[in-house]
Amino acid sequence: ETGVTQTPRHLVMGMTNKKSLKCEQHLGHNAMYWYKQSAKKPLELMFVYNFKEQTENNSVPSRFSPECPNSSHLFLHLHTLQPEDSALYLCASSQGSEDTQYFGPGTRLTVL
Amino acid sequence: QKEVEQNSGPLSVPEGAIASLNCTYSDRGSQSFFWYRQYSGKSPELIMFIYSNGDKEDGRFTAQLNKASQYVSLLIRDSQPSDSATYLCAVKGGYSTLTFGKGTMLLVSP
Repeated sequence: ETGVTQTPRHLVMGMTNKKSLKCEQHLGHNAMYWYKQSAKKPLELMFVYNFKEQTENNSVPSRFSPECPNSSHLFLHLHTLQPEDSALYLCASSQGSEDTQYFGPGTRLTVL
Repeated sequence: QKEVEQNSGPLSVPEGAIASLNCTYSDRGSQSFFWYRQYSGKSPELIMFIYSNGDKEDGRFTAQLNKASQYVSLLIRDSQPSDSATYLCAVKGGYSTLTFGKGTMLLVSP
């Protein structure tokens, strides 16, 4: 596979469930990002990892927990979400944190 | 608070016309400017980036940057129905991450 991949592509979960989103990049990049895209809102940056270290947490609620085991993989662990967390969650990567970002296809999350 | 403003549209143009998409930003320290295209239900894909004042051309696309006016635009020549999408402007400062606008929806009619 090439580029940035995300799984699952669609996810429906209840407020008491625990689930994880996975992102993998095959570009040899060192920085990875999680974004949230809600209807009629700009893309919101959630987390940034650079060389596996978290460098930015944009005041994201603790019910979202990121994990970056290596430069190619990024996870977003979800627990006790709210219906307003329903959105498209996008992963992106870049060579360095200063460089152009390339996006994965996204996970469409619905919280019931 | 860094802001990136775009007219939400939709901007409607006939096939073959020039589409002009505009973006203003609040942070004078911004250094890099990006245009992404996002089809409905899909993720953003990079079209162009520009760092210096002036024009940058790539095929049918031209990005224009005016740092004094804090303004960046994207021109699409010979617009095609396949260009119908939402165009996201994104701005980056020195050591900051990208700030996105809400996007402008472009509709190109045959």
